Amino acid sequence: GQQVQQSPSSLVLQEGENAELQCNFSSTATQLQWFYQSPGGSLVSLLSNPSGTKHTGRLTSTTVTKERRSSLHISSSQTTDSGTYLCAISSGGSNYKLTFGKGTLLTVTP
Amino acid sequence: EAGVTQSPRYAVLQEGQAVSFWCDPISGHDTLYWYQQPRDQGPQLLVYFRDEAVIDNSQLPSDRFSAVRPKGTNSTLKIQSAKQGDTATYLCASSFTDQDTQYFGPGTRLLVL
Repeated sequence: GQQVQQSPSSLVLQEGENAELQCNFSSTATQLQWFYQSPGGSLVSLLSNPSGTKHTGRLTSTTVTKERRSSLHISSSQTTDSGTYLCAISSGGSNYKLTFGKGTLLTVTP
Repeated sequence: EAGVTQSPRYAVLQEGQAVSFWCDPISGHDTLYWYQQPRDQGPQLLVYFRDEAVIDNSQLPSDRFSAVRPKGTNSTLKIQSAKQGDTATYLCASSFTDQDTQYFGPGTRLLVL
C-alpha cells in the first residue's frame, strides 16, 4: 500500500529561523495535504498541494509529483508554530482515503 | 459554522470492556472518516462513509470494532472488547466530498489498562 515518509522526525529552532520539512511518498499522489497538529491533538489542514508551489502566509509548499516528494517551508518561525506537521496523500481512483506520515515534531524556542 | 464535535474527550477502560465514541460532522458534509492515532504515529484510517454507506473499512478490526452512520449524519464507533493495543486517540473527520479538505474533530483519547 501507500507509504509516506517524513523527515526530519523532530526539529528544534530558535524563533526567527526558517524550517524545511520533507515528505516522500511511494506512489503517485492525486491529493497531498499538509496538516498541523497542536500539542494535545487537534488537526488543522494547512495546505493542499498535489503539484507545484503554493503559499499561504509564512508557509510555502513545493511538490514535485514525478519525484514523489513535497516540502513545507516555514519562514521566520514563531513559538506558536511548535507542534507536529503531518503530510498525507491520496492516490484517487475510486477511493480517496488519506495515508499519513508519522510527522515532524517542531519545537521553536524563544 | 460549528466544527466536527466528538465525545467523550477521554476514556479509561480495563481490558475486555466496551466503549463507544460519537461524532457529529459539519452540517452538509456527506463524507465522514474515523482514524486511529497511536502515540507518536500519524492517523491511520479505520473506516469512511459516504452518506450512510461504508466506502472503505479494510483497516477496521471487524471482530471487535464496528462503525455506523445510520442517517448519513452522526456516527458511532464502538469497540466491543478493548485491548491494551487499542490505546490511541480516535479522530473523526468530515468533508463535503471525499475529494475535498477533511476537517478534524478534537479526538477521543482512549487508555486501556
